[in-house]
Amino acid sequence: QSALTQPASVSGSPGQSITISCTGTSSDVGGYNYVSWYQQYPGKAPKLMIYDVSNRPSGVSNRFSGSKSGNTASLTISGLQAEDEADYYCSSYTSSSSLYVFGTGTKVTVL
Amino acid sequence: EVQLLESGGGLVQPGGSLRLSCAASGFTFSTYAMTWVRQAPGKGLEWVSAIRSGGDRMYYADSVKGRFTISRDNPKNTLYVQMNSLRAEDTAVYYCARVPGRGTKGGWLDPWGQGTLVTVSS
Repeated sequence: QSALTQPASVSGSPGQSITISCTGTSSDVGGYNYVSWYQQYPGKAPKLMIYDVSNRPSGVSNRFSGSKSGNTASLTISGLQAEDEADYYCSSYTSSSSLYVFGTGTKVTVL
Repeated sequence: EVQLLESGGGLVQPGGSLRLSCAASGFTFSTYAMTWVRQAPGKGLEWVSAIRSGGDRMYYADSVKGRFTISRDNPKNTLYVQMNSLRAEDTAVYYCARVPGRGTKGGWLDPWGQGTLVTVSS
């Protein structure tokens, strides 16, 4: 099972919006609305930011939103803030022998 | 407060074994699927294994199948992974995570423990 494809890095200025893509196949991203997104600071555990493509857990800022089109899911961060600088990973349920597949990860830099 | 606390990591020689534990608190452990995810130094996340709430069905990544065994003790609120025939490429921080929602049928991972480091080296 190959990892989902994410851009290695995305950057933006404070207040701007950025979008991180997550491309898979019809066996994972395209086949199920079971995409989730995780934020990870250096040396820390990942934190759930979005589940089931576009649902935000309680306590997560509404500046974070998710969507999906075909085999590509996206995470948008609007009103970018310094605290958003972190690594972001997508994940999807997969019909392959592996239950879950993660994305390659994207480093978000706030300029 | 929901908490997950991993333990058992350390330095082990290639070919050796190690058992990791994940102590859960703050929720009804027996009603949730659980999973292990690892992260090699400087690398991305890799799903390792998952187990249903009742412990009746286990799932493994191809990279660990036949070497790792996931299990749980619901009365003790603890998740385990027994890792045998360890290789250098198994070196990673190992996280346990709860799987809410629909469990192993596409549930998300929340929360995660703080992780425990496993180093496989001679």
